[in-house]
Amino acid sequence: AQTVTQSQPEMSVQEAETVTLSCTYDTSENNYYLFWYKQPPSRQMILVIRQEAYKQQNATENRFSVNFQKAAKSFSLKISDSQLGDTAMYFCAFVGFGNEKLTFGTGTRLTIIP
Amino acid sequence: ETGVTQTPRHLVMGMTNKKSLKCEQHLGHNAMYWYKQSAKKPLELMFVYSLEERVENNSVPSRFSPECPNSSHLFLHLHTLQPEDSALYLCASSQEKGSPYEQYFGPGTRLTVT
Repeated sequence: AQTVTQSQPEMSVQEAETVTLSCTYDTSENNYYLFWYKQPPSRQMILVIRQEAYKQQNATENRFSVNFQKAAKSFSLKISDSQLGDTAMYFCAFVGFGNEKLTFGTGTRLTIIP
Repeated sequence: ETGVTQTPRHLVMGMTNKKSLKCEQHLGHNAMYWYKQSAKKPLELMFVYSLEERVENNSVPSRFSPECPNSSHLFLHLHTLQPEDSALYLCASSQEKGSPYEQYFGPGTRLTVT
């Protein structure tokens, strides 16, 4: 069974700073996908960024980038130039190739301080 | 909005009541999901439907009964619930089951069982 661990229940940073959220996972599969989802206080969860395990290049989406270390089973999210709208719960998630079951971590509550 | 709507947004029910949660997606997706989100716990997948056929029920108690009349609508029928069933229930949809397809989430129904 897959597990996803987010070891930082809460974090806070000043606006415009850079913050990194950590995520580790455990799996015996070789082909899989990793996601970071964001859940703002309004509760609608949206996808932030996605990484295919077979790709060595780290995914980036504007201010969001990941550090994917397959051997270490680590998948951290870096948010650059943080903005007040980045305040949210962030969930790391894993899904095996061909599988519909997303496995989520417990989340990190990120607060951006003005 | 992500194209996935849920009603009601809030629900308070007694343990002897029967109620239903509704989810509708306007994205043309073929797969729909029910998740349970409890505080400080990972999201728990409850049910998966693909092309209106249930493909996963994840050992959910029978007091939760899903229904998927078509690919755009998903219901969760509730009866004789327990206080520990109080949680945020999230609906999601995706293009089809299985990775790498992103799941789009609704805003959730906050359920309180008294």
